[in-house]
Amino acid sequence: QSALTQPASVSGSPGQSITISCTGTSRDIGFYDYVSWYQQHPDKAPKLIIYEVSNRPSGVSNRFSGSKSGITASLTISGLQPEDEADYYCSSYTKSGTRVFGGGTKVTV
Amino acid sequence: EVQLVESGGGLVKPGGSLRLSCATSGFSFSYYSFNWVRQAPGKGLEWVSSISYGNTYIFYADSVKGRFTISRDNAKNSLYLQINSLGAEDTGVYYCARGLSGNSHSDLGYWGQGTLVTDSS
Repeated sequence: QSALTQPASVSGSPGQSITISCTGTSRDIGFYDYVSWYQQHPDKAPKLIIYEVSNRPSGVSNRFSGSKSGITASLTISGLQPEDEADYYCSSYTKSGTRVFGGGTKVTV
Repeated sequence: EVQLVESGGGLVKPGGSLRLSCATSGFSFSYYSFNWVRQAPGKGLEWVSSISYGNTYIFYADSVKGRFTISRDNAKNSLYLQINSLGAEDTGVYYCARGLSGNSHSDLGYWGQGTLVTDSS
């Protein structure tokens, strides 16, 4: 049950676009399309922002988009805004029936 | 409105036990699978356990297997996590989470506010 691999931090200026990568294995990201992304502000619960690789829940800004290629998933934030400053986690369902999270990426605007 | 409210956290002596609860409302509890996810202070999210809607499938992270037990009471719309042999590595905020759909693979669309478990050492 190894964690998915994410960069520890990514930064960008307001209005710019950034992309966060998330690398897994053939037993998780490479096997299922149940790949999700969560945004977490300090002392708050995680919030789902992308599900099933590229879908946005109702109410989530279309500035957030997701994709997957092989064993790597990506989250892109376009038109970066100050309120996007948060921690971001990827997650995948696995062949074992468990779930695995990435180590988290701190986004600085 | 979907709501999940955790409780039962607290200060526990090393080797002690604790039972966390997650009270839910706003949806048909029995139709959904649930997960527990924890977060150590200043660290990332760690998936802990899941239970399917019919109790058919129960899974645990290797780090808690044999010490933690997940259960549910459909009559009380509640989820539980029994923690035994607590160690320092178990300190953190514990979240209960529900999938977007009833599919056990479904991504975690609803989360509680969390309950803090602290090892007193």
